[in-house]
Amino acid sequence: NAGVTQTPKFRVLKTGQSMTLLCAQDMNHEYMYWYRQDPGMGLRLIHYSVGEGTTAKGEVPDGYNVSRLKKQNFLLGLESAAPSQTSVYFCASSYGTGLLNTEAFFGQGTRLTVV
Amino acid sequence: QQQVKQSPQSLIVQKGGISIINCAYENTAFDYFPWYQQFPGKGPALLIAIRPDVSEKKEGRFTISFNKSAKQFSLHIMDSQPGDSATYFCAAKVNSNSGYALNFGKGTSLLVTP
Repeated sequence: NAGVTQTPKFRVLKTGQSMTLLCAQDMNHEYMYWYRQDPGMGLRLIHYSVGEGTTAKGEVPDGYNVSRLKKQNFLLGLESAAPSQTSVYFCASSYGTGLLNTEAFFGQGTRLTVV
Repeated sequence: QQQVKQSPQSLIVQKGGISIINCAYENTAFDYFPWYQQFPGKGPALLIAIRPDVSEKKEGRFTISFNKSAKQFSLHIMDSQPGDSATYFCAAKVNSNSGYALNFGKGTSLLVTP
């Protein structure tokens, strides 16, 4: 029972390089989210998706793009990485409907360093 | 703008003591208030959650107290143990039955000393 799986777990990028972070969930959840976690800043929402083929901006979307082509996958892209994007990235998913199904499940995180 | 304000930033408690973490919010549309626990190198995991129709919820040694009029809620950890040492995040969500995302506090790093 994998839950939410993030790939890769660690990555070092040079400024200006691009990359894609993959999030996969096997719980048939409708909703998926990308957060970044920085020291003293908590978890800040980058983008989210309420279903296959739909995405929306969160609190800190600049410099990121996302796609949700399949219900189980949510991709986060960095087109031109900057040192300010050095962070730990977390993907989460939730079923979302019904009083008993609000819990968000998080992946293990991707630690990204941009040099 | 931080929609959920959490304090303290860090907390040291002796084993057996009570750990108390406080959160405040402004948006009265929030209707779901969870607490997440995060160990180093791991993703956050749901610890306990409350909805505004109750003032307190207890699960084992963990209790959420909720004050709707003051727009505040807190986590109490009774008989704190070294294994409770982690970062705790409060959060709030608008329209709990939708895809709206959680708004997190900045986190509290708890250290329980032996």
